[in-house]
Amino acid sequence: ETGVTQTPRHLVMGMTNKKSLKCEQHLGHNAMYWYKQSAKKPLELMFVYNFKEQTENNSVPSRFSPECPNSSHLFLHLHTLQPEDSALYLCASSQEFLGGYEQYFGPGTRLTVT
Amino acid sequence: GENVEQHPSTLSVQEGDSAVIKCTYSDSASNYFPWYKQELGKGPQLIIDIRSNVGEKKDQRIAVTLNKTAKHFSLHITETQPEDSAVYFCAASTSGTYKYIFGTGTRLKVLA
Repeated sequence: ETGVTQTPRHLVMGMTNKKSLKCEQHLGHNAMYWYKQSAKKPLELMFVYNFKEQTENNSVPSRFSPECPNSSHLFLHLHTLQPEDSALYLCASSQEFLGGYEQYFGPGTRLTVT
Repeated sequence: GENVEQHPSTLSVQEGDSAVIKCTYSDSASNYFPWYKQELGKGPQLIIDIRSNVGEKKDQRIAVTLNKTAKHFSLHITETQPEDSAVYFCAASTSGTYKYIFGTGTRLKVLA
């Protein structure tokens, strides 16, 4: 799992907390993604960044705030979350964001909102 | 909207037998179809993919077939081993877009 790393691997937070998830890719890719994985549901694309520019905000609530300072790092800032936001949050990267390039995933952050 | 249906949701096979997972996509413009394996506590790992200009691709015990007319694609695992036990996801994507449409996953159990 040295290609795409995510920290922390597990996070428990209260609804009034503020926390951040971090993702780093070591593949020299130009595009990075945040996905939400909930039980028995397809992976849900949340945000897409291409060359540090946000390309997509897939109708994600404002309590999720992404940040991409450079092509290798991606953050997801969390505040005033709801229990239904508990899920596995996956980061992915690809060489380019168009053209059907392979996406490589990190191990995910298991988030529990209490 | 665009979607990918994946079946079965769970599959149990005896070690050494074959396993087949099937996906159907709705967007006829889809031309890239990756398969991912997700083990417990890990992120999805790309195991094989196929593009619409070929009908079949094989990598050792894993093969993927594509029927563009029927908009079906399938994952075939032969001589299954206990370490093949995982959740498998199919996806469909289109050149010129960044979106992957994922299936809901198949939990494969290989019984020793």
